[in-house]
Amino acid sequence: SYELTQPLSVSVALGQTARITCGGNNIGSKTVRWYQQRPGQAPVLVIFRDINRPSGIPERFSGSNSGNTATLTISRAQAGDEADYFCQVWVSSTEVFGGGTKLTVL
Amino acid sequence: EVQLLESGGGLVQPGGSLRLSCAASGFTFSNYAMSWVRQAPGKGLEWVSAISGSGGSTYYADSVTGRFTISRDNSKNTLYLHMNSLRAEDTALYYCAKYLHGGNPDDGLDIWGQGTMVTVSS
Repeated sequence: SYELTQPLSVSVALGQTARITCGGNNIGSKTVRWYQQRPGQAPVLVIFRDINRPSGIPERFSGSNSGNTATLTISRAQAGDEADYFCQVWVSSTEVFGGGTKLTVL
Repeated sequence: EVQLLESGGGLVQPGGSLRLSCAASGFTFSNYAMSWVRQAPGKGLEWVSAISGSGGSTYYADSVTGRFTISRDNSKNTLYLHMNSLRAEDTALYYCAKYLHGGNPDDGLDIWGQGTMVTVSS
């Protein structure tokens, strides 16, 4: 079965840029989505089709996908960005989630 | 306002059954594929199942195939998850979620409910 690998945690200084990776075999050939989940809340879609932001998601959130790695980039990190982030792909008629990355804003 | 409201969770013994419901409002329900996603306490997200807008196509994670059945009643704007032969490892918060653009999973799940908790324990 297809697996997505994310770092357990990423730290970023307030106002700096955070990058969260999602590794998978030839993930660049697949379409990646990213979700933000704050404690006690339901997930929120922040990126779809690798690079697109749903309505209401700040431009500070961006995505890229190439080769074996997809990346979620959060510019000018804010305290409110502190959350768990999950990548997701659709493969072989199933959804696959990465294990999640806890983003800490210092 | 687009909204999803899950119900039906609770405490059930191993081997037991449960039916979850997800009431949708604020959008044309039949136009959108839907998914169930679960999250065990303190763990990550795990996809469970998905269904097309018409209900004619269904998809399952290997971990629930043969035990869970997803269905929908478009006349009632309601999504269901029938769960049989429940195991301790099925204990989780179960979310229903709507796909952003109709039936294409590539667009992701843009609306999520708040979840309903299922606990499998004797």
